[in-house]
Amino acid sequence: LAKTTQPISMDSYEGQEVNITCSHNNIATNDYITWYQQFPSQGPRFIIQGYKTKVTNEVASLFIPADRKSSTLSLPRVSLSDTAVYYCLVGFTGGGNKLTFGTGTQLKVEL
Amino acid sequence: GAVVSQHPSRVICKSGTSVKIECRSLDFQATTMFWYRQFPKQSLMLMATSNEGSKATYEQGVEKDKFLINHASLTLSTLTVTSAHPEDSSFYICSARAGQINEQYFGPGTRLTVT
Repeated sequence: LAKTTQPISMDSYEGQEVNITCSHNNIATNDYITWYQQFPSQGPRFIIQGYKTKVTNEVASLFIPADRKSSTLSLPRVSLSDTAVYYCLVGFTGGGNKLTFGTGTQLKVEL
Repeated sequence: GAVVSQHPSRVICKSGTSVKIECRSLDFQATTMFWYRQFPKQSLMLMATSNEGSKATYEQGVEKDKFLINHASLTLSTLTVTSAHPEDSSFYICSARAGQINEQYFGPGTRLTVT
């Protein structure tokens, strides 16, 4: 399973764009990159998933360079409610293949 | 997105007793579900992979006789913590895969406190 490395914490202010980078040097050919958000005492919530280049949905964008050894989650114009832990996971999503959580990034958004 | 529920949301039990946690996929079928445990201010730790109609696959260091997993239908997996000890107190979370890109959906979690 590809190991991921993320910053332990990040601070931002409301209205700013936040970019969280995840390093995954030994990503396998059939691995996807998935990001989750978790609030205290809640289960993780799926944010976005991608394989290469750029993926965008209504809440975030995911940038993946050609070598796929890293990825960047971009949150546009964060608000206080975006304060949470963000996890980057790498793995093959088919069937019973498991995903392993790393340490995650604690994002704190202030006024 | 797909919805995964857990019951109960929180439970308190005495040492030595057993407690069962249910995980349901509400609007989809899941042949595979996953059980995680999370201690305060730590990441999620995968405990086992629950397979419908067959035995669960446990991660290294997880006692299969203590954490009994049953996946009797395509929408229900249960985790039973047997002979609970205070150190089993934790946040237990289940998940299942669904959707066009096979994304993993998580339940809301169950807070277990063993006194």
